[in-house]
Formats: sequence, structure tokens, C-alpha cells
Amino acid sequence: AQSVTQLDSHVSVSEGTPVLLRCNYSSSYSPSLFWYVQHPNKGLQLLLKYTSAATLVKGINGFEAEFKKSETSFHLTKPSAHMSDAAEYFCVVSYSNSGYALNFGKGTSLLVTP
Amino acid sequence: DSGVTQTPKHLITATGQRVTLRCSPRSGDLSVYWYQQSLDQGLQFLIQYYNGEERAKGNILERFSAQQFPDLHSELNLSSLELGDSALYFCASSVGGQPGNTIYFGEGSWLTVV
Repeated sequence: AQSVTQLDSHVSVSEGTPVLLRCNYSSSYSPSLFWYVQHPNKGLQLLLKYTSAATLVKGINGFEAEFKKSETSFHLTKPSAHMSDAAEYFCVVSYSNSGYALNFGKGTSLLVTP
Repeated sequence: DSGVTQTPKHLITATGQRVTLRCSPRSGDLSVYWYQQSLDQGLQFLIQYYNGEERAKGNILERFSAQQFPDLHSELNLSSLELGDSALYFCASSVGGQPGNTIYFGEGSWLTVV
């Protein structure tokens, strides 16, 4: 079975400090991994994706994530948080062996304080 | 703006009723997906279509059905509605149905069952 676990349901950081949102996956197949962001009352926006190319993936708005196969992790980071980063973040793995459906983590709510 | 259009944005209906949610994928995208987001279940994959044919099925109830039309737009039909069906329903689309294809989400249709 393929699943994804977001280790923190809430993360709070101060503006200007680094952001770390943790994600672990389990997969019997080579995974495709994604991070999506959802701002309040908005749809889901793709931040970045990993599809077996470079293990360090750079996304939009200064976010990046590193695929670590040995740790089955795909943590999302940003060097310096901005107030506008406050949102819900979802780590996602694809079912590569059965059509192409995204399996979402439970989400991490990021709070950025002044 | 992702290019995926969903209507209606908000819908309030009574238990036992039937509603239809509509989705227009991004221009050129052949694959359409439906997801349900609720507080207790999180984001759940319902169903995927590719070029008019069902490609993958997730946690979709028998009371729910979907289809993709020749012009590639899709409809999600929800019948015999229950209070627990109240949720945000997302449509998403991608060029193909392969792992690694970027999936773009609409802003969702808010369904409230009273």
C-alpha cells in the first residue's frame, strides 16, 4: 500500500526564520511526490514535484524539498518564512501502479507570526 | 488561476436530494480527477477519467457517479445526499494520466447538505 504521513499537524514559525514541514512516504513502487499548498478558501496550488530526477527539488515561492530514499522522506523547507506563507500544506504521493491518483497526507497548518 | 473551472462554487441542498457538480479541465488536459475534502476525512480521491473513460476509482460511494464527456468536461453526480456529504469537492486535471504529470486543481465546489 502507498501512503504518506505528515509528521506535524501544526507548525508555527516567526517571520524570517526557516520553515521545515516533514513528510514520510511508504511505497512499493517508485513514487512521484508532490507538495501542494492551500490558502484559506482557495484551491490547491502545486509547490513542487519529484519524479525520479534530481533529488533536490526547487519549487515556487522559495520552497524546496529533498527526496531521501533511505529515509523515505520528502521534507519541505524554506530558508525564510513570509507572512504570506501561512496556509495548509499537503504532502502527496502518486499511485504509480494503479492509474494516477494522488494520495494526500493529512496536511500541516503553517502559522507565521510577526 | 489554474485553468480548471468548477461550478457552482457554493451549493446548499437538503438531505435526500441530488446535485451535479461540473468541471472544465485546463485546455489540452485529457485527464480529470475528483476529490472530496472534509474535516474528518481530509482529502480523498474519488475517481479519475482519461479521455472519456474511467481510469481509476477511489473512495467513491455508490450514491455518487461521474462521467467525462467528449468535450472533456466532467460532471460529478451526488444523490440521496446525507449530512455527511457536506464537503469541498475538487476537480483537477492533467495532460495525461501518467505519474509525474502535474495535476492542476480548481477552486472547488462547496456543498452544504442541511
